[in-house]
Amino acid sequence: QQQVKQSPQSLIVQKGGISIINCAYENTAFDYFPWYQQFPGKGPALLIAIRPDVSEKKEGRFTISFNKSAKQFSLHIMDSQPGDSATYFCAASRRQREGGGADGLTFGKGTHLIIQP
Amino acid sequence: GAVVSQHPSWVICKSGTSVKIECRSLDFQATTMFWYRQFPKQSLMLMATSNEGSKATYEQGVEKDKFLINHASLTLSTLTVTSAHPEDSSFYICSAREGRVTREQYFGPGTRLTVT
Repeated sequence: QQQVKQSPQSLIVQKGGISIINCAYENTAFDYFPWYQQFPGKGPALLIAIRPDVSEKKEGRFTISFNKSAKQFSLHIMDSQPGDSATYFCAASRRQREGGGADGLTFGKGTHLIIQP
Repeated sequence: GAVVSQHPSWVICKSGTSVKIECRSLDFQATTMFWYRQFPKQSLMLMATSNEGSKATYEQGVEKDKFLINHASLTLSTLTVTSAHPEDSSFYICSAREGRVTREQYFGPGTRLTVT
């Protein structure tokens, strides 16, 4: 059962355009939704994250939109640049029960983004 | 801040041998560290969670006797792949989280394991 579904699998955007990646989750216990950027052969880097008590969060050119009722969230990259070309992963986690820390992350399958100059 | 390192960055070993991978948090104390596995052009799959001083918690389907995890200090966790086989060849990535309240996980650069 894939708990976090990500689309599209690949995306080509012109320089200066807006890149939009979507994710949907099934587990209503998830309460933390980060996005990661990964370059080939490197570990993922945290871009931005959101909790379900807000509908939008913006950091620089990156914006997360969150729709709790639809169980969907998306990443918008404004003014996309060639240096943004990478694989992007959405993820989700839930807080463990009994006062423990949070679970590990459940990742979407990733979106390979190419920004054309 | 929030830098996580891994060593080695790549390793080649023969089938049947064991390999140890280190994960260190360089500028913060990691109460919890996680180990993930990533096959080429695929997503990251959580293998196990380790809390400092406690036994690791393994995800369903991950052999705890094959993937030994030790989180002996607040800055170091190790993953030992025992009796490695070619199907264990993968990209192993650790992440670390500071404290039990914060949710941010910071990832290391990964270790490429090739078993011949």
